[in-house]
Amino acid sequence: QKEVEQDPGPLSVPEGAIVSLNCTYSNSAFQYFMWYRQYSRKGPELLMYTYSSGNKEDGRFTAQVDKSSKYISLFIRDSQPSDSATYLCAMMSYNQGGKLIFGQGTELSVKP
Amino acid sequence: NAGVTQTPKFQVLKTGQSMTLQCAQDMNHNSMYWYRQDPGMGLRLIYYSASEGTTDKGEVPNGYNVSRLNKREFSLRLESAAPSQTSVYFCASSEVPARAYEQYFGPGTRLTVT
Repeated sequence: QKEVEQDPGPLSVPEGAIVSLNCTYSNSAFQYFMWYRQYSRKGPELLMYTYSSGNKEDGRFTAQVDKSSKYISLFIRDSQPSDSATYLCAMMSYNQGGKLIFGQGTELSVKP
Repeated sequence: NAGVTQTPKFQVLKTGQSMTLQCAQDMNHNSMYWYRQDPGMGLRLIYYSASEGTTDKGEVPNGYNVSRLNKREFSLRLESAAPSQTSVYFCASSEVPARAYEQYFGPGTRLTVT
């Protein structure tokens, strides 16, 4: 079993829809939870990170962490065609030397 | 500010050939990382360097070596390429290991081994 599981999709939604992306994990030592966005043939870029549990909002993006269920989510409101990309969740435990463990990535397509 | 740069962008190797992938960052970061990305596998850490002068193995180090040449540069070497090493390779950097959650990635090197 992988430490971090993510549904690879692909996920296709109409413009303006609310998108929900999710990851589950098995290592309870993870403390930092990240979402990276990767456009086609580009390197990933950090979208948001959350420390421990709770919610974090940044514009149209909301990240949620539920440590009791070992489940994290990224919500995108009013999705735009420019949001079409692969979204990678990643997790980190500080006592593991800062190494990131990535999910497989979910490919999202927002249709105009 | 170029951020993280990688050379080459594309490479085709024959089985058994060797090559070095180059990475440089201009953000004065202490920590640097090498990943490979394969379909359905996400990003997997090959090697990382927490600071200049140190390197350590990641999840999939077999078949690779690294050199932290100085604070700016971190190279990845394939001594005897195998078809299983066909992948997209990304270099990344972070300010310090404790801020590894915020990594900056290069554009990647697409490597095919025939």
